[in-house]
Amino acid sequence: KAGVTQTPRYLIKTRGQQVTLSCSPISGHRSVSWYQQTPGQGLQFLFEYFSETQRNKGNFPGRFSGRQFSNSRSEMNVSTLELGDSALYLCASSIDRGNEKLFFGSGTQLSVL
Amino acid sequence: GESVGLHLPTLSVQEGDNSIINCAYSNSASDYFIWYKQESGKGPQFIIDIRSNMDKRQGQRVTVLLNKTVKHLSLQIAATQPGDSAVYFCAENGSGNTGKLIFGQGTTLQVKP
Repeated sequence: KAGVTQTPRYLIKTRGQQVTLSCSPISGHRSVSWYQQTPGQGLQFLFEYFSETQRNKGNFPGRFSGRQFSNSRSEMNVSTLELGDSALYLCASSIDRGNEKLFFGSGTQLSVL
Repeated sequence: GESVGLHLPTLSVQEGDNSIINCAYSNSASDYFIWYKQESGKGPQFIIDIRSNMDKRQGQRVTVLLNKTVKHLSLQIAATQPGDSAVYFCAENGSGNTGKLIFGQGTTLQVKP
């Protein structure tokens, strides 16, 4: 069974731009979560989606948003990029809502210049 | 606030020795704990998990121990191999059933040949 797939693998953007990251969960998994990983803050929860609805949200500004499609695939968007948004963005899937056994993708490394 | 911590940022062991990575958690309501391994350039990889109704759980070459009295979690790796070199994260589910994990800062395991 294929794992969690994230695209693109790397992104370079400039301040003020926006970016969209994509995630395909493991087949049969219906919940998708997003995490931001930085050397200073570690892994921080962004949001969780289930049945195309955001179920839980971390402490991030409204510039960070996401959505989930009917096939469970998910996208996250960051608008008006700031230098501090440079990070590894990780998507994780789990089989069902509230299931904390998360399986992660390899992430999208975002660099904001 | 909620936090999950690891006692040592870096652990260096000799190949073939056993490794013990420790983690302290602060939320008494957490009832699910999970260990991840993250190699350079990859996302966190599931190693083993444990629920609060257990004290110990074994996998292949790995054992997780949970001491709820002192809110302590440990990961033991038997016969450590060079391929075990990575950053290890513990995580807890906090108040639970949200699909959200709270991660510690990570311990880097270095295996010396």
